[in-house]
Amino acid sequence: NAGVTQTPKFQVLKTGQSMTLQCAQDMNHEYMSWYRQDPGMGLRLIHYSVGAGITDQGEVPNGYNVSRSTTEDFPLRLLSAAPSQTSVYFCASSRDPNEKLFFGSGTQLSVL
Amino acid sequence: QKEVEQDPGPLSVPEGAIVSLNCTYSNSAFQYFMWYRQYSRKGPELLMYTYSSGNKEDGRFTAQVDKSSKYISLFIRDSQPSDSATYLCAILNNQGGKLIFGQGTELSVKP
Repeated sequence: NAGVTQTPKFQVLKTGQSMTLQCAQDMNHEYMSWYRQDPGMGLRLIHYSVGAGITDQGEVPNGYNVSRSTTEDFPLRLLSAAPSQTSVYFCASSRDPNEKLFFGSGTQLSVL
Repeated sequence: QKEVEQDPGPLSVPEGAIVSLNCTYSNSAFQYFMWYRQYSRKGPELLMYTYSSGNKEDGRFTAQVDKSSKYISLFIRDSQPSDSATYLCAILNNQGGKLIFGQGTELSVKP
């Protein structure tokens, strides 16, 4: 039982490059979300999805895109990376947003 | 201003002490209140969950919610070195599914 799988674990980008952070869950959860974690800022919600085909913006959506074509996958796309996007990114899922959230192990992203 | 505010600490206490962690929130539409614990270099894990005003106990942990004051607390009794972690409050606006976290409080329990 893999739970929530994030790839890659580490990534270094140059300013202006684009990339996709992958997130997959095998628990048939409807709710999935992406957070970024910065020192002293806690977890900030980027985007979330309550089911396949449905996405919505969180607290800090600018510079990021998401899509939810399947229940299992919820990729996060950085369109043109900026140093301000250097952070640790967590993907999470649950059956419902008011239930226990299961987190992936995180992706540490550095933008130079 | 964030919708959920939490004192980031750090907080350092001796083993056996009672720890009090707190959050305030601004939106009365928030209905579900959670505490997550995060060890270094790991993803957060759910510790406590409640949706009503009052207290909820689980072993050494007590979650308290005061909706009239928009204030939530987590108490840890007989704190242990293994409790050393970052504690994050999380609050759900049930109108849409946004789960918002506080900044997290870094706790260190010294033997």
